[in-house]
Amino acid sequence: EVQLVQSGAEVKKPGESLRISCKGSGYSFTSYRVVWVRQMPGKALEWMGRIDPSDSYIDYSPSFQGHVTISADKSISTAYLQWSTLKASDTGIYFCARQHAYQGGLGDYWGQGTLVTVSS
Amino acid sequence: DIQMTQSPSTLSASVGDRVTITCRASQSISSWLAWYQQKPGKAPQLLIYQASILESGVPSRFSGTGSGTEFTLTISSLQPDDFATYYCQQYNTYSYTFGQGTKLEIK
Repeated sequence: EVQLVQSGAEVKKPGESLRISCKGSGYSFTSYRVVWVRQMPGKALEWMGRIDPSDSYIDYSPSFQGHVTISADKSISTAYLQWSTLKASDTGIYFCARQHAYQGGLGDYWGQGTLVTVSS
Repeated sequence: DIQMTQSPSTLSASVGDRVTITCRASQSISSWLAWYQQKPGKAPQLLIYQASILESGVPSRFSGTGSGTEFTLTISSLQPDDFATYYCQQYNTYSYTFGQGTKLEIK
């Protein structure tokens, strides 16, 4: 069974750093890209970027380039989303998804989401 | 970025109804459009890709049409499990933008 399991909810202060994780199982982790999607409270989905775990090639949406870092460790089938300096506006739910095999940019299997709350 | 506009934002309907949701792109995206269903507190679920192809395991009461700039998602006979928020997503042009969502409510 394909599964993506994300790390738990986080509460952070502005200016702090954070890394959340997404562990894939039930499939060949290096054969599918991993996509990250943000959902701010009560808002729509936003495509952030994706990584190819086989070679760590990364695409960022221009809206998120420079604000987050996507990475992966293929030895443990885990992708990461990282912030060096959090802002209150980073509050939201972050989903990882396995990119569809034939349709670039789409997620066919999704993690359960990680709620990130940034508040002083 | 390509802008995706869904209508309506909210739709009230009853079990058994046929409903249609529209998604318009700010420029042509050919047939590179997907539809997702999201329930409260859950991750999105892919329903349809390439405008009209049903993802494996999705009930046949869901269907999609369109190309270019105008697309529709139709549910032929609403079931209780279908009340959720629906999003379209274009994947013709990076960075793969989503619509603002359509909330399907019970009338």
